[in-house]
Amino acid sequence: EAQVTQNPRYLITVTGKKLTVTCSQNMNHEYMSWYRQDPGLGLRQIYYSMNVEVTDKGDVPEGYKVSRKEKRNFPLILESPSPNQTSLYFCASRPRWSSYNEQFFGPGTRLTVL
Amino acid sequence: AQKVTQAQTEISVVEKEDVTLDCVYETRDTTYYLFWYKQPPSGELVFLIRRNSFDEQNEISGRYSWNFQKSTSSFNFTITASQVVDSAVYFCALSDDRGSTLGRLYFGRGTQLTVWP
Repeated sequence: EAQVTQNPRYLITVTGKKLTVTCSQNMNHEYMSWYRQDPGLGLRQIYYSMNVEVTDKGDVPEGYKVSRKEKRNFPLILESPSPNQTSLYFCASRPRWSSYNEQFFGPGTRLTVL
Repeated sequence: AQKVTQAQTEISVVEKEDVTLDCVYETRDTTYYLFWYKQPPSGELVFLIRRNSFDEQNEISGRYSWNFQKSTSSFNFTITASQVVDSAVYFCALSDDRGSTLGRLYFGRGTQLTVWP
């Protein structure tokens, strides 16, 4: 089954404790991205990647890192999480050539930073 | 710059009422794509519909219908005879066609729809 998976789905952590949220897709998509969703703000892009070893900042990159060592994986790294990073996170992917620019979303990761 | 505005933050209706969710977008591109997503209380994003800028035909899918009007830069979503299961947050989104960003999505802030029994 074609899908985007994220792990963990739920995480409660404390300020300053490094964490990684994994994202993996099995559709051989070139493009992957991370969004965060906050009440009243919709979804905002954190980082995106056009292909392996090619990443760039989105609208709200502060406090996050990403890497794209393999085509299928695009982990989101919080080196020193803070309470303002409490949010719902979505990973998405799409092929380079797409008739409708449709992106495929993962199920979301609900992160709470205490 | 790309922008999507969903002016309705929250809407409450009683079951069987019709309800329209508004979406207004801004873009200078001639080629772009519009989407609606549903987010039920469980949190996942459910894709509902997509439209490209050259296709202004309205669409109906069961109780759902979409009205795309380029003249007013709007892509409104109507639910006919609403049901409790329609309660969710609905997002409108815009995607450009630029190779530099590979069609990233710009989301509105969402409309929380509550349907009461």
